[in-house]
Amino acid sequence: GAGVSQTPSNKVTEKGKYVELRCDPISGHTALYWYRQSLGQGPEFLIYFQGTGAADDSGLPNDRFFAVRPEGSVSTLKIQRTERGDSAVYLCASSPSGGPEWGQFFGPGTRLTVL
Amino acid sequence: GIQVEQSPPDLILQEGANSTLRCNFSDSVNNLQWFHQNPWGQLINLFYIPSGTKQNGRLSATTVATERYSLLYISSSQTTDSGVYFCAVEGGTSYGKLTFGQGTILTVHP
Repeated sequence: GAGVSQTPSNKVTEKGKYVELRCDPISGHTALYWYRQSLGQGPEFLIYFQGTGAADDSGLPNDRFFAVRPEGSVSTLKIQRTERGDSAVYLCASSPSGGPEWGQFFGPGTRLTVL
Repeated sequence: GIQVEQSPPDLILQEGANSTLRCNFSDSVNNLQWFHQNPWGQLINLFYIPSGTKQNGRLSATTVATERYSLLYISSSQTTDSGVYFCAVEGGTSYGKLTFGQGTILTVHP
């Protein structure tokens, strides 16, 4: 079946603008995760959804970042008043449930560049 | 939070050689995964292995949870094995949150 998909694959924006990044998880996966990867680093956790609710948002860096998953499937990561330091690859992952039996499966990422 | 250290940071091999990558972690874990990040940035699941040993073709992994480390073995390496290998753990009280190591950059020359 299809894997995790993310759109857009690349996003270039100007400092101060608002952006939305979309994630479509693997069909039937109830858990969804967002991570951010800077150049030369491992991915860093942002937020974890179990169904429609955010089970853990402790990784969101500040209140400019917000994520939703209104119907328990597709999720959108929203960044307000973008800053150059927000430039990174944003990765989405999903898993069959909150339990880790199969692990997390990652999408290809959205490369965000803030000019 | 839980700390994850990977070694070596870089590894250069000739095609056909074997290698061992190590992941040390600082606390008990619910989940441990090994990933290969290919040159296009895609994270590919290699193993879900919070304990025990698994094998998949030329790759195998062992996690000794009581001693807080995991090893990834690559045998008969191929140029397509090049990329970054990440170990990621879900700490005992941090359900859903994977903490990644810094990765091992593997380069396999023909």
